[in-house]
Amino acid sequence: SQTIHQWPATLVQPVGSPLSLECTVEGTSNPNLYWYRQAAGRGLQLLFYSVGIGQISSEVPQNLSASRPQDRQFILSSKKLLLSDSGFYLCAWSAPFGELFFGEGSRLTVL
Amino acid sequence: GENVEQHPSTLSVQEGDSAVIKCTYSDSASNYFPWYKQELGKRPQLIIDIRSNVGEKKDQRIAVTLNKTAKHFSLHITETQPEDSAVYFCAASWSAGNMLTFGGGTRLMVKP
Repeated sequence: SQTIHQWPATLVQPVGSPLSLECTVEGTSNPNLYWYRQAAGRGLQLLFYSVGIGQISSEVPQNLSASRPQDRQFILSSKKLLLSDSGFYLCAWSAPFGELFFGEGSRLTVL
Repeated sequence: GENVEQHPSTLSVQEGDSAVIKCTYSDSASNYFPWYKQELGKRPQLIIDIRSNVGEKKDQRIAVTLNKTAKHFSLHITETQPEDSAVYFCAASWSAGNMLTFGGGTRLMVKP
């Protein structure tokens, strides 16, 4: 069966520090991959999605970037974090014509 | 692009009562409408979905209805229980596997 993992689960970072969140999917090939952000008490904001290796589409201009170095690996990065980057980051995957499944989430606090 | 509006933003019901959450969408080409439940601090999880070739789908205490002409769909929860308390998100897309547009969420509180 397919599983999705993302890490770290929680992290506290100072303003201006770099960020790297990683997500991997097992049990499937060529998944569509997504990064969402959820501010406290708010909805789901799509940040990036990818339909294949090296193919990244950005939905919201910001200081974040995403990469897909391997078929089932999706990485969210920042060179310099802002206070407004705090939130709950969710990786997700879907198969073509399939349902969307979310990872466990990474809670980021920027101080 | 697609735009999904969800109402109400918060809903409080007594245990055993029914709860209804409504969503409207803008793109008539949308054909796939899932609903997600997110418990506090957890990831959203799919609870039910409907495709445009049906008007209603039911799974135990949960049902979803779709009106393509009016471009709205609704989630119905009957005999609510405290464990139904969560944030519910509706979404729409051209088809399953395509990028979803989410509604803003509804915080449901079921009072025992």
